[in-house]
Amino acid sequence: EVQLVESGGGLIQPGGSLRLSCAVSGFTVSSNYVSWVRQAPGKGLEWISVIYSGGSTDYADSVKGRFTISRDTSKNTLYLQMSSLRAEDTALYYCAGRGPEYTFGSWGRGTLVTVSS
Amino acid sequence: DIQMTQSPSSVSASVGDRVTITCRASQGIGSWLAWYQQKPGKAPKLLIYGASSLQSGVPSRFSGSGSGTHFTLTISSLQPEDFATYYCQQAHSLFTFGPGTKVEIK
Repeated sequence: EVQLVESGGGLIQPGGSLRLSCAVSGFTVSSNYVSWVRQAPGKGLEWISVIYSGGSTDYADSVKGRFTISRDTSKNTLYLQMSSLRAEDTALYYCAGRGPEYTFGSWGRGTLVTVSS
Repeated sequence: DIQMTQSPSSVSASVGDRVTITCRASQGIGSWLAWYQQKPGKAPKLLIYGASSLQSGVPSRFSGSGSGTHFTLTISSLQPEDFATYYCQQAHSLFTFGPGTKVEIK
């Protein structure tokens, strides 16, 4: 059974840093693309970052230069290092991946990040 | 960047109704288009990929069509469990979600 479990969210002040984790079971992060997708309260879905099976990464313009996606294949875990956080980064952060044709067939339950002073 | 739009932003419908949601891409994306359903407090669920392929386990009342810049999701006979928000997503150039369409009870 595929499971993705996010952790690491919380309340952080503007300008601060936070690292999110996504523990994956049921498939290997080294053989699949995995993304972070966020959803601000009451808003729609926003894709923010992906790491492909080969290790290359991409980012949405809204987070480029501030967020870094990485993975630990020995732990089968995905990470999102977030820095220079802004109020508009407040959202539920999902990890998602392993779908046909670059879709998101499996999702975690999300971890909430609140950026506020 | 590829932008996605959806219409309508919300629709009120009754059980048994046929519902059609439209998604448009700002440039051609071939068939690199997926549809998701999201219920309150839950993660999105993949319904359709490749514009028209039904994800395993998804009821056949859901169907997708289109290519290029114009796509549709159709629910042939709306069921009580289908009241939710639906998002399209392109995967032609990175990933972009549409703004969503909320299907509400009439």
